[in-house]
Amino acid sequence: QLQLQESGPGLVKPSETLSLTCTVSGGSISSSSYYWGWIRQPPGKGLEWIGSIYYSGSTYYNPSLKSRVTISVDTSKNQFSLKLSSVTAADTAVYYCATSHSSGDAFDIWGQGTMVTVSS
Amino acid sequence: QSALTQPPSVSGSPGQSVTISCTGTSSDVGSYNRVSWYQQPPGTAPKLMIYEVSNRPSGVPDRFSGSKSGNTASLTISGLQAEDEADYYCSSYTSSSVVFGGGTKLTVL
Repeated sequence: QLQLQESGPGLVKPSETLSLTCTVSGGSISSSSYYWGWIRQPPGKGLEWIGSIYYSGSTYYNPSLKSRVTISVDTSKNQFSLKLSSVTAADTAVYYCATSHSSGDAFDIWGQGTMVTVSS
Repeated sequence: QSALTQPPSVSGSPGQSVTISCTGTSSDVGSYNRVSWYQQPPGTAPKLMIYEVSNRPSGVPDRFSGSKSGNTASLTISGLQAEDEADYYCSSYTSSSVVFGGGTKLTVL
Protein backbone atom coordinates (compact mmCIF):
# COMPACT_ATOMS: atom_id res chain seq x y z
CA GLN A 1 0.00 0.00 0.00
CA LEU A 2 1.42 3.33 -1.09
CA GLN A 3 2.02 5.94 1.59
CA LEU A 4 2.98 9.58 1.10
CA GLN A 5 4.68 11.95 3.53
CA GLU A 6 5.27 15.67 3.02
CA SER A 7 8.29 17.46 4.46
CA GLY A 8 9.74 20.95 4.34
CA PRO A 9 9.93 24.28 6.16
CA GLY A 10 6.84 25.38 8.02
CA LEU A 11 7.71 29.06 7.67
CA VAL A 12 8.75 30.90 4.50
CA LYS A 13 9.46 34.60 4.10
CA PRO A 14 7.53 36.69 1.56
CA SER A 15 9.12 36.82 -1.91
CA GLU A 16 11.12 33.66 -1.22
CA THR A 17 10.63 30.17 -2.69
CA LEU A 18 8.55 27.53 -0.93
CA SER A 19 10.08 24.07 -1.29
CA LEU A 20 8.37 20.84 -0.23
CA THR A 21 9.18 17.18 -0.74
CA CYS A 22 6.88 14.17 -0.79
CA THR A 23 8.44 10.81 0.06
CA VAL A 24 6.73 7.77 -1.41
CA SER A 25 6.87 4.45 0.44
CA GLY A 26 5.32 1.08 -0.31
CA GLY A 27 5.93 1.38 -4.04
CA SER A 28 8.03 2.93 -6.76
CA ILE A 29 7.53 6.48 -7.92
CA SER A 30 8.46 5.23 -11.39
CA SER A 31 5.47 2.88 -11.57
CA SER A 32 3.63 3.27 -14.84
CA SER A 33 0.39 5.20 -15.09
CA TYR A 34 0.77 7.08 -11.81
CA TYR A 35 0.35 10.83 -11.47
CA TRP A 36 1.92 12.57 -8.48
CA GLY A 37 0.29 15.80 -7.43
CA TRP A 38 0.21 18.72 -5.04
CA ILE A 39 -2.98 20.23 -3.62
CA ARG A 40 -3.23 23.02 -1.06
CA GLN A 41 -5.86 24.29 1.36
CA PRO A 42 -5.67 27.77 2.94
CA PRO A 43 -6.89 27.87 6.55
CA GLY A 44 -10.67 27.56 6.66
CA LYS A 45 -10.94 27.41 2.87
CA GLY A 46 -11.32 24.88 0.08
CA LEU A 47 -8.93 22.73 -1.90
CA GLU A 48 -6.84 24.05 -4.77
CA TRP A 49 -4.99 21.83 -7.23
CA ILE A 50 -1.45 23.12 -7.76
CA GLY A 51 -0.16 20.66 -10.32
CA SER A 52 0.85 17.11 -11.14
CA ILE A 53 3.67 15.15 -12.72
CA TYR A 54 3.19 11.93 -14.66
CA TYR A 55 5.52 9.00 -14.13
CA SER A 56 6.99 9.75 -17.58
CA GLY A 57 7.97 13.24 -16.43
CA SER A 58 5.22 15.27 -18.10
CA THR A 59 4.00 18.12 -15.92
CA TYR A 60 0.62 19.80 -15.60
CA TYR A 61 0.08 23.02 -13.68
CA ASN A 62 -2.82 25.13 -12.47
CA PRO A 63 -2.95 28.00 -14.97
CA SER A 64 -3.25 30.54 -12.16
CA LEU A 65 -0.01 29.33 -10.55
CA LYS A 66 1.90 28.10 -13.60
CA SER A 67 4.38 30.97 -13.73
CA ARG A 68 5.55 30.24 -10.16
CA VAL A 69 5.36 26.44 -9.89
CA THR A 70 7.81 23.66 -10.61
CA ILE A 71 7.13 20.00 -9.83
CA SER A 72 9.88 17.42 -10.29
CA VAL A 73 10.69 13.82 -9.46
CA ASP A 74 13.81 12.29 -7.90
CA THR A 75 13.59 8.60 -8.71
CA SER A 76 16.78 7.79 -6.78
CA LYS A 77 15.11 8.96 -3.56
CA ASN A 78 11.55 7.90 -4.48
CA GLN A 79 10.44 11.48 -3.94
CA PHE A 80 8.75 14.26 -5.81
CA SER A 81 8.95 17.93 -4.98
CA LEU A 82 7.18 21.26 -5.24
CA LYS A 83 8.76 24.66 -5.67
CA LEU A 84 6.58 27.78 -5.52
CA SER A 85 8.41 31.04 -6.08
CA SER A 86 7.72 34.61 -5.03
CA VAL A 87 5.37 33.59 -2.25
CA THR A 88 3.00 35.95 -0.45
CA ALA A 89 0.70 35.59 2.54
CA ALA A 90 -1.92 34.23 0.14
CA ASP A 91 0.21 31.11 -0.27
CA THR A 92 -0.20 30.23 3.41
CA ALA A 93 -1.92 26.85 3.44
CA VAL A 94 -1.80 23.18 4.28
CA TYR A 95 0.00 21.53 1.38
CA TYR A 96 -0.90 17.95 0.50
CA CYS A 97 0.87 15.56 -1.82
CA ALA A 98 -1.31 12.92 -3.42
CA THR A 99 -1.30 10.29 -6.13
CA SER A 100 -3.71 9.28 -8.86
CA HIS A 101 -3.48 5.96 -10.62
CA SER A 102 -4.15 6.27 -14.35
CA SER A 103 -6.66 9.13 -14.55
CA GLY A 104 -4.62 11.99 -13.17
CA ASP A 105 -7.61 13.78 -11.71
CA ALA A 106 -8.91 11.43 -8.99
CA PHE A 107 -6.43 11.39 -6.12
CA ASP A 108 -6.85 8.15 -4.21
CA ILE A 109 -3.93 8.34 -1.80
CA TRP A 110 -2.99 11.46 0.15
CA GLY A 111 -0.27 12.50 2.53
CA GLN A 112 -1.25 13.90 5.92
CA GLY A 113 -0.48 17.45 4.82
CA THR A 114 1.99 20.03 6.04
CA MET A 115 1.21 23.59 7.13
CA VAL A 116 3.27 26.32 5.48
CA THR A 117 3.02 29.88 6.71
CA VAL A 118 4.34 32.80 4.69
CA SER A 119 5.43 35.55 7.05
CA SER A 120 8.40 37.74 7.77
CA GLN B 1 -10.49 28.29 -14.61
CA SER B 2 -13.14 29.02 -11.99
CA ALA B 3 -13.96 26.84 -9.02
CA LEU B 4 -16.95 24.55 -9.31
CA THR B 5 -20.02 25.73 -7.38
CA GLN B 6 -21.24 23.79 -4.36
CA PRO B 7 -23.77 24.76 -1.67
CA PRO B 8 -21.94 25.92 1.47
CA SER B 9 -23.87 23.56 3.70
CA VAL B 10 -26.43 20.77 3.77
CA SER B 11 -27.91 18.83 6.65
CA GLY B 12 -29.93 15.74 7.36
CA SER B 13 -31.03 13.43 10.13
CA PRO B 14 -29.64 9.94 10.64
CA GLY B 15 -31.17 7.49 8.19
CA GLN B 16 -32.18 10.19 5.72
CA SER B 17 -30.66 10.89 2.31
CA VAL B 18 -28.88 14.08 1.29
CA THR B 19 -27.66 15.27 -2.08
CA ILE B 20 -24.81 17.69 -2.69
CA SER B 21 -24.65 19.44 -6.04
CA CYS B 22 -21.58 20.53 -7.97
CA THR B 23 -22.12 22.92 -10.86
CA GLY B 24 -19.48 23.60 -13.46
CA THR B 25 -19.47 24.57 -17.10
CA SER B 26 -19.38 22.97 -20.51
CA SER B 27 -15.58 23.18 -20.26
CA ASP B 28 -15.29 20.91 -17.25
CA VAL B 29 -18.16 18.94 -15.70
CA GLY B 30 -20.21 19.09 -18.87
CA SER B 31 -17.46 17.84 -21.14
CA TYR B 32 -15.86 15.02 -19.20
CA ASN B 33 -17.05 12.07 -17.14
CA ARG B 34 -14.21 12.76 -14.76
CA VAL B 35 -15.89 14.14 -11.68
CA SER B 36 -14.59 13.05 -8.29
CA TRP B 37 -15.89 13.53 -4.76
CA TYR B 38 -13.84 13.75 -1.56
CA GLN B 39 -14.79 13.54 2.10
CA GLN B 40 -12.75 15.57 4.60
CA PRO B 41 -13.50 15.30 8.33
CA PRO B 42 -12.01 18.19 10.36
CA GLY B 43 -8.23 18.13 10.66
CA THR B 44 -7.73 15.24 8.25
CA ALA B 45 -6.66 14.77 4.65
CA PRO B 46 -9.35 14.36 1.99
CA LYS B 47 -10.51 10.85 1.12
CA LEU B 48 -11.64 9.86 -2.37
CA MET B 49 -15.26 8.68 -2.28
CA ILE B 50 -16.31 8.75 -5.95
CA TYR B 51 -14.36 8.91 -9.21
CA GLU B 52 -15.39 9.15 -12.85
CA VAL B 53 -18.83 10.46 -11.82
CA SER B 54 -20.21 7.31 -10.22
CA ASN B 55 -17.48 4.81 -9.39
CA ARG B 56 -16.63 3.95 -5.80
CA PRO B 57 -13.10 3.02 -4.73
CA SER B 58 -12.76 -0.21 -2.80
CA GLY B 59 -13.92 0.20 0.79
CA VAL B 60 -16.34 3.09 0.21
CA PRO B 61 -19.86 2.14 1.36
CA ASP B 62 -22.51 1.84 -1.34
CA ARG B 63 -24.52 4.46 0.58
CA PHE B 64 -22.42 6.92 -1.40
CA SER B 65 -23.40 7.38 -5.03
CA GLY B 66 -22.64 9.88 -7.76
CA SER B 67 -24.36 11.08 -10.91
CA LYS B 68 -24.17 13.81 -13.50
CA SER B 69 -26.58 15.73 -15.69
CA GLY B 70 -25.28 18.35 -18.05
CA ASN B 71 -22.97 20.72 -16.21
CA THR B 72 -24.03 19.56 -12.75
CA ALA B 73 -22.76 16.56 -10.82
CA SER B 74 -24.31 15.25 -7.61
CA LEU B 75 -23.26 13.19 -4.63
CA THR B 76 -26.01 11.37 -2.78
CA ILE B 77 -25.52 9.87 0.66
CA SER B 78 -28.29 7.54 1.72
CA GLY B 79 -28.89 6.12 5.18
CA LEU B 80 -27.07 9.07 6.72
CA GLN B 81 -24.83 8.23 9.67
CA ALA B 82 -23.18 10.44 12.27
CA GLU B 83 -19.76 9.52 10.89
CA ASP B 84 -20.69 11.07 7.54
CA GLU B 85 -20.44 14.57 9.05
CA ALA B 86 -17.60 16.23 7.17
CA ASP B 87 -16.74 18.64 4.39
CA TYR B 88 -17.27 17.31 0.87
CA TYR B 89 -15.50 18.53 -2.24
CA CYS B 90 -16.11 17.80 -5.88
CA SER B 91 -13.49 18.08 -8.59
CA SER B 92 -13.43 17.83 -12.35
CA TYR B 93 -10.86 17.35 -15.07
CA THR B 94 -10.58 20.24 -17.50
CA SER B 95 -8.05 20.85 -20.26
CA SER B 96 -5.06 19.09 -18.70
CA SER B 97 -5.83 20.46 -15.25
CA VAL B 98 -8.07 19.84 -12.27
CA VAL B 99 -10.57 22.20 -10.69
CA PHE B 100 -12.18 21.76 -7.26
CA GLY B 101 -15.47 22.96 -5.87
CA GLY B 102 -15.63 25.31 -2.92
CA GLY B 103 -16.75 22.57 -0.55
CA THR B 104 -19.96 21.69 1.29
CA LYS B 105 -20.25 21.16 5.02
CA LEU B 106 -22.54 18.23 5.83
CA THR B 107 -24.13 18.34 9.25
CA VAL B 108 -25.84 15.25 10.63
CA LEU B 109 -28.58 16.52 12.93
